[in-house]
Amino acid sequence: GDSVTQMEGPVTLSEEAFLTINCTYTATGYPSLFWYVQYPGEGLQLLLKATKADDKGSNKGFEATYRKETTSFHLEKGSVQVSDSAVYFCALRDNFGNEKLTFGTGTRLTIIP
Amino acid sequence: SAVISQKPSRDICQRGTSLTIQCQVDSQVTMMFWYRQQPGQSLTLIATANQGSEATYESGFVIDKFPISRPNLTFSTLTVSNMSPEDSSIYLCSVQPPNQPQHFGDGTRLSIL
Repeated sequence: GDSVTQMEGPVTLSEEAFLTINCTYTATGYPSLFWYVQYPGEGLQLLLKATKADDKGSNKGFEATYRKETTSFHLEKGSVQVSDSAVYFCALRDNFGNEKLTFGTGTRLTIIP
Repeated sequence: SAVISQKPSRDICQRGTSLTIQCQVDSQVTMMFWYRQQPGQSLTLIATANQGSEATYESGFVIDKFPISRPNLTFSTLTVSNMSPEDSSIYLCSVQPPNQPQHFGDGTRLSIL
């Protein structure tokens, strides 16, 4: 079945550091890929998405590229801010019509000033 | 994008009781989902709730424990029945508008004493 393997956390970085959170997946066919973010005490918000190979999703300075050859969708940001502290979830949706999301385990990111 | 209102936002319940969680959407959507997020864990899909049909439960979840109603295209409820401390989790509903990613409510934080 489908699965998402996400970089273990927690991750602690200084403000303005470069961020990478690794995500790889296993799926039949060609899934759509997502990064969701969960700020403290809140629900999940979609951060970015990519629906086909070589697509790059971007939002709020974050980027991730759908790499079919390595089955990866790593999240990157060039300069993190304290306000980026949150839990980040990588997820996939197969495109066979059931619309179910399969989530990774989540990575807790803490940015220190 | 769809706006989701989930109630209650949090509750503390006694062992053996039941709690019904409501999810209201500001637009008509066919597909709604209920997820559980156990402490420090990722999201696990409980069931898919489509209007006009019985909910479809994932492996490990049963209707007697998590009955779901979906009376119309803007509303759904999830009941957590005969609660035990192991049911302490965040419960989230999400919706799948046409041609859009899933949108999530803020969740219901449930603690069982």
